[in-house]
Amino acid sequence: AQTVTQSQPEMSVQEAETVTLSCTYDTSENNYYLFWYKQPPSRQMILVIRQEAYKQQNATENRFSVNFQKAAKSFSLKISDSQLGDTAMYFCAFMKQPSGGYQKVTFGTGTKLQVIP
Amino acid sequence: DVKVTQSSRYLVKRTGEKVFLECVQDMDHENMFWYRQDPGLGLRLIYFSYDVKMKEKGDIPEGYSVSREKKERFSLILESASTNQTSMYLCASSYSSYNEQFFGPGTRLTVL
Repeated sequence: AQTVTQSQPEMSVQEAETVTLSCTYDTSENNYYLFWYKQPPSRQMILVIRQEAYKQQNATENRFSVNFQKAAKSFSLKISDSQLGDTAMYFCAFMKQPSGGYQKVTFGTGTKLQVIP
Repeated sequence: DVKVTQSSRYLVKRTGEKVFLECVQDMDHENMFWYRQDPGLGLRLIYFSYDVKMKEKGDIPEGYSVSREKKERFSLILESASTNQTSMYLCASSYSSYNEQFFGPGTRLTVL
């Protein structure tokens, strides 16, 4: 079974600064997908960024980028130029290569990020 | 944009009541999921469905059942609600098994 660990339950960052959220996972799979989801207070969870394990290049989406270290099974999220709207719970998620229509995503316990004005 | 809606944002029920949570997606997604979210535990999968009338147990199916009579609608049923089912319930859908999941706004259920 896969496990996803987010070791930082809460973090804070000053507006305009950079923050890195950590995530490690445990799997024996070689092909899989990793995600970061954002859940703002009282709002819907949305996908921030996605990484395919076979891709060596780290994914980026505007101010969000990841540091994917496959050998270390690490998948950290870096938020640059933090904005007040980045205040949210962030979940790291793992999905192994689907088979037979079966899509199983394992989520971490989340990191609550507070951006301070 | 994909829209996933849930029938209620907040729900209060009494122990022993039968509870229905409804989820509808408007983008013809194949897969639909029900999770519960609890502080410190993240999201845990209750049930999922990859086709109409098909369902599979997730990690914590005990005390729950589901129904998917139409592709766009996935219902979670608590046959006899108990206080330990007080939680946030999230519905999600995905176009295929290779695509990311889109989430609904959640239903915060309180069982008294």
